[in-house]
Amino acid sequence: AQSVAQPEDQVNVAEGNPLTVKCTYSVSGNPYLFWYVQYPNRGLQFLLKYITGDNLVKGSYGFEAEFNKSQTSFHLKKPSALVSDSALYFCAVRDMGHTDKLIFGTGTRLQVFP
Amino acid sequence: EAGVAQSPRYKIIEKRQSVAFWCNPISGHATLYWYQQILGQGPKLLIQFQNNGVVDDSQLPKDRFSAERLKGVDSTLKIQPAKLEDSAVYLCASSSTGVYQETQYFGPGTRLLVL
Repeated sequence: AQSVAQPEDQVNVAEGNPLTVKCTYSVSGNPYLFWYVQYPNRGLQFLLKYITGDNLVKGSYGFEAEFNKSQTSFHLKKPSALVSDSALYFCAVRDMGHTDKLIFGTGTRLQVFP
Repeated sequence: EAGVAQSPRYKIIEKRQSVAFWCNPISGHATLYWYQQILGQGPKLLIQFQNNGVVDDSQLPKDRFSAERLKGVDSTLKIQPAKLEDSAVYLCASSSTGVYQETQYFGPGTRLLVL
């Protein structure tokens, strides 16, 4: 069965520093991986996805993610964090059965301090 | 392009009452999903529609939950009767074709509190 794990409940980083939010996956076959961000009292906003091709995927708001097949990871990164990046981040993998539902991790809360 | 619309945004009810949520997907999107997000967890799929047909409702508690998408556009999710454990955010999402590489776009969600 497809699954993703987000090993950190919370990540704290100072504004201007690089940030990394970790995600590992377990799939049979090739993975389709996604990152979403959730601000308070808002729905999920799509950031980026990996389908195939380059291992470094660029997305919205300056975020990027690195797909690493040997480590089964898909970590979200940003070179310079902003206070406004503080939010809840979810990694997800596409189910490859008869449904194409997203299977989400438990989320990582990113706190960027001024 | 307008996003996924949901209403109401918030709802407070007492247990054993009924409640209904509405979703209007992005125009032209054939696939519609309802997810339940319990506090501290990631969203989990309740039901998926392709046009007006059900693709997957295996995780929908059918003794109390029902959903429909009669004309292949708007959808309604109903809970009757509600239980305390139904307190959650209900997220509607849509994608254009439902193939694996397509992005799902989410609405703002309906936050339900059952007292």
